[in-house]
Amino acid sequence: AQSVTQPDIHITVSEGASLELRCNYSYGATPYLFWYVQSPGQGLQLLLKYFSGDTLVQGIKGFEAEFKRSQSSFNLRKPSVHWSDAAEYFCAVGKAAGNKLTFGGGTRVLVKP
Amino acid sequence: GAGVSQSPRYKVAKRGQDVALRCDPISGHVSLFWYQQALGQGPEFLTYFQNEAQLDKSGLPSDRFFAERPEGSVSTLKIQRTQQEDSAVYLCASPSYKTSGGATGELFFGEGSRLTVL
Repeated sequence: AQSVTQPDIHITVSEGASLELRCNYSYGATPYLFWYVQSPGQGLQLLLKYFSGDTLVQGIKGFEAEFKRSQSSFNLRKPSVHWSDAAEYFCAVGKAAGNKLTFGGGTRVLVKP
Repeated sequence: GAGVSQSPRYKVAKRGQDVALRCDPISGHVSLFWYQQALGQGPEFLTYFQNEAQLDKSGLPSDRFFAERPEGSVSTLKIQRTQQEDSAVYLCASPSYKTSGGATGELFFGEGSRLTVL
């Protein structure tokens, strides 16, 4: 069975500083990997996805993520955070495009002025 | 419609009451997912439809939960005899598709229905 672990429940970062959110997955085959963001009272929005090819993927809002098969990781990064990046971030894994996803528990990001 | 629409946005139910939550997916999308998101947790898969067929209901937590999509568009998630542990946000999602066919992999989520059971 597939599973996703996000080790950090909360992260506080200063505005303008860099951000890295960790994600480790467990899946027997080549995974389809996703990062979603959820702002308070809003639905989940896709930031980026990885299916194959280049292991460094670019997403919206200046985010990027790197797939490392050897470490079963798909960490999300942003070089310089903005106050509007305060939200909850979820990593997810699926076995095919359009298939059901398994989500991690999420990481809540707080941005200090 | 342009996006996934869910109603009601908020529902307060007394323990033991039955509730029905509605999802109106993106027009023309054949697939539809329901997820449950408890407070402070990630979404968890409940059930999946392709058109009117419920192909996977492995995530439904008990037989009090029932979902249907009789005409292959709007779906309803029904919870009978609600319990306090049913309090959660219930999310509906449908996959996006390429213009040439085939899923792109992205799930479009609705804003969810927040259920509070007292």
